[in-house]
Amino acid sequence: GDSVTQMEGPVTLSEEAFLTINCTYTATGYPSLFWYVQYPGEGLQLLLKATKADDKGSNKGFEATYRKETTSFHLEKGSVQVSDSAVYFCALRNTNAGKSTFGDGTTLTVKP
Amino acid sequence: EAQVTQNPRYLITVTGKKLTVTCSQNMNHEYMSWYRQDPGLGLRQIYYSMNVEVTDKGDVPEGYKVSRKEKRNFPLILESPSPNQTSLYFCASSGSNYGYTFGSGTRLTVV
Repeated sequence: GDSVTQMEGPVTLSEEAFLTINCTYTATGYPSLFWYVQYPGEGLQLLLKATKADDKGSNKGFEATYRKETTSFHLEKGSVQVSDSAVYFCALRNTNAGKSTFGDGTTLTVKP
Repeated sequence: EAQVTQNPRYLITVTGKKLTVTCSQNMNHEYMSWYRQDPGLGLRQIYYSMNVEVTDKGDVPEGYKVSRKEKRNFPLILESPSPNQTSLYFCASSGSNYGYTFGSGTRLTVV
C-alpha cells in the first residue's frame, strides 16, 4: 500500500536558519503530494501541493519539488522565523481517490 | 468564511455509551474524511466519502461508522466506545484540487 516517510524530529533551528524536512513516498500510480502545517491546538492547514512530477509547490517562503525519480518531496525554507514553529506533515493522495496517506509529522522549533 | 465545523471540541464519555461527532462543511466539497491523531502514530484515516451515499474504509475503521446523507455533513459514530478510541479526531473536506481543509478537532476521552 501507499506510505509516506518523513524525517524524524524534533528539529530545532535558530531564527534565519535554512530548513529542510525530508519526505519520501511509496505509491501506486501518480499521486498528488502535499505539505500540511499544524500549529498548537489547531487543525492541519494545507501549506503547499504538487500534482505531477517536477512541479514545485510554494507558499509563505516554503517550497517543495515533486521528484518522481527519487520519490521525494522535501520541504525547504531559506530563512525560518519563530512563527514557523509547528508540526509539518507530508501527505500523498492518488488522483480521484478519497484515500490519503500522511507521514508521522516533524516538529519544528525555531528559537530567537 | 469557508470552513469545516466539528462538534464538540472536547468530549469525555464512558465505555459503551454511543456517541456522534458531527462534521459540516460549507464549500460544496465532494470528498470528506475522518482522521485520528495519536502521539507517535501520526494521522490515520478512519473513513472517507467521495460523494453522497458513497463511503469507504480507511486504515483504521474498526469501531467506527459514518454516513453521508447530505453533501455538507459527515458524522462519525462510535456505537460502543472503548478506551483505545481515546484520541484527537479531525474531519476534513476537499474539492477537485485535492488539498484537504481540516476542522479544528475533537478531543475524545473514553473512560
